[in-house]
Amino acid sequence: QSALTQPPSASGSPGQSVTISCTGTSSDVGGYKYVSWYQQHPGKAPKLMIYEVTKRPSGVPDRFSGSKSGNTASLTVSGLQAEDEADYYCCSYAGSNNFGVFGGGTKLTVL
Amino acid sequence: EVQLVQSGAEVKKPGESLKISCKGSGYSFTTYWIGWVRQMPGKGLEWMGIIYPGDSTTRYSPSFQGQVAMSADKSINTAYLLWSSLKASDTAMYYCARGSSPIKFDYWGQGTLVTVSS
Repeated sequence: QSALTQPPSASGSPGQSVTISCTGTSSDVGGYKYVSWYQQHPGKAPKLMIYEVTKRPSGVPDRFSGSKSGNTASLTVSGLQAEDEADYYCCSYAGSNNFGVFGGGTKLTVL
Repeated sequence: EVQLVQSGAEVKKPGESLKISCKGSGYSFTTYWIGWVRQMPGKGLEWMGIIYPGDSTTRYSPSFQGQVAMSADKSINTAYLLWSSLKASDTAMYYCARGSSPIKFDYWGQGTLVTVSS
């Protein structure tokens, strides 16, 4: 099972919006409504930001939103803030043989 | 408060065995999956597998099948990740996480750093 494809880096200025893509196949991202996004600050454990493509856990700001079109899922961060600078990983269900697969991660820089 | 507390860092030699633990508290341990995620130094997250402590059902990523084993002792709310013969390439941070689905991990342990070196 290959990792999902994410851009290695993304950036934006405070207050701007940035979108991070996550491309898979019809066997994972495109085949199920089960895509999650995780935020990881250096030296810290990951944090769930989005699940089931568009849902936000309690406590996650509504500046974070998720979507999906075909085999590509996206995470949009609106109104960028300094604390949003982190690594972001997508994760998709990949069927009953592979179950879960992460993307390679995207380093988000707030300029 | 939901918490997952992992065992401490380990330094082992190639060929040695190892078991690291993940103790859950603040929720019904038997009704959520526990997932294990590897992060090699400077690299991304890798989905290793999940175990359902209620009945010890396990699901492994093909990449990790046969390389590690997962177990759980529901009497003490603890999940384990086991190696029978470590390799240098097993050097990584290992996270456990609570899952209400195979990929929705809403609470994470602090991580266990495993170093394998001769």
